[in-house]
Amino acid sequence: AQTVTQSQPEMSVQEAETVTLSCTYDTSESNYYLFWYKQPPSRQMILVIRQEAYKQQNATENRFSVNFQKAAKSFSLKISDSQLGDTAMYFCALGGNKLVFGAGTILRVKS
Amino acid sequence: EAGVAQSPRYKIIEKRQSVAFWCNPISGHATLYWYQQILGQGPKLLIQFQNNGVVDDSQLPKDRFSAERLKGVDSTLKIQPAKLEDSAVYLCASSGRLAGGPLEQYFGPGTRLTVT
Repeated sequence: AQTVTQSQPEMSVQEAETVTLSCTYDTSESNYYLFWYKQPPSRQMILVIRQEAYKQQNATENRFSVNFQKAAKSFSLKISDSQLGDTAMYFCALGGNKLVFGAGTILRVKS
Repeated sequence: EAGVAQSPRYKIIEKRQSVAFWCNPISGHATLYWYQQILGQGPKLLIQFQNNGVVDDSQLPKDRFSAERLKGVDSTLKIQPAKLEDSAVYLCASSGRLAGGPLEQYFGPGTRLTVT
């Protein structure tokens, strides 16, 4: 069975600072994908970033980047220059055509 | 491009009543998903359709939940009879294949169900 664990229920960060959200996972698959989704208070889930497991290079999308450690089964999200609009629930997800989600981390960006 | 549409946005019912949710996926997306998201938890897949066929319904409580996707487009999810523990947000998502990549899922705004 595939599992995803997010050990930080809540995080807070000052505007313009950097924050890292943690995620660990378990799978027996050799080829898989990892995702970070953002869910603002309005509830619409939005894809933030995606990592293919067979790629060693960490994915980046503007202010968002990941630290993918395949051997350790770790997939953390780094948000640089945090903005008030980054306040949301962040979910780590594992899979391909079918996703398994972690429990989420609430991120609050403070001004 | 229009996103995934869901209705209603909110629903309050009493236990043992019935309720139905509707989802219209992004045009051209063959795969449709229904998730249940209980407050404070991540979404849990209930059922996955490929066109109008069921790919995975292993976590769907079939004694009370049913879903259909007629003509491979719109989908409805029904609960009959509802229980208190069914209170959750029901998310619909659809996906289309990226070039050489996985099926990226696009989510609707969800339906918040409260069972009293």
